[in-house]
Amino acid sequence: AQSVSQHNHHVILSEAASLELGCNYSYGGTVNLFWYVQYPGQHLQLLLKYFSGDPLVKGIKGFEAEFIKSKFSFNLRKPSVQWSDTAEYFCALRRTYKYIFGTGTRLKVLA
Amino acid sequence: DAEITQSPRHKITETGRQVTLACHQTWNHNNMFWYRQDLGHGLRLIHYSYGVQDTNKGEVSDGYSVSRSNTEDLPLTLESAASSQTSVYFCASSDPVGGAGDTQYFGPGTRLTVL
Repeated sequence: AQSVSQHNHHVILSEAASLELGCNYSYGGTVNLFWYVQYPGQHLQLLLKYFSGDPLVKGIKGFEAEFIKSKFSFNLRKPSVQWSDTAEYFCALRRTYKYIFGTGTRLKVLA
Repeated sequence: DAEITQSPRHKITETGRQVTLACHQTWNHNNMFWYRQDLGHGLRLIHYSYGVQDTNKGEVSDGYSVSRSNTEDLPLTLESAASSQTSVYFCASSDPVGGAGDTQYFGPGTRLTVL
């Protein structure tokens, strides 16, 4: 069965630190991968997505993710986090029209 | 601007009562989804619909039902609410016609408490 794993459940960083959140998936077919963000009290918003082509995907607010097929990974990165990046981050795999979400990573950025 | 709205935003009910959560989208999307969000579980799919009169069970569908009589609405009904259904519920929609339409757009959520 398809699944998405996010191994970092809670991450605490200081402002200006670099961020990398792990996402691994299990699915043998063609994948579409997404990162969503949920700011406190708000609904989920799309950060970035990978469908095909360049495996390095750039999203909003300075985020990027790299699709590494051989490692079944789609890790999210940001070179310098800000206090406003405090949120919960979800990785998701799209299969047909259904999405499978990871359990999320709660990021807290200390000012 | 197109959007997804959910109502109510907060609901407290008692065990055994029937509850209906509304979801309305103005994107004109064919695909609509209901998720529940629980700590440690992320988002889990309850039901989904690929169009009018089409409904399908997700991974945690027991105790829930949906109906799709038009494109815009996918109400979620808890037939007999249980405390285990206390959660935050999100509705989402997407358009199956390629490109950016593959993205799911989420509503603001409904926080349901079953006492």
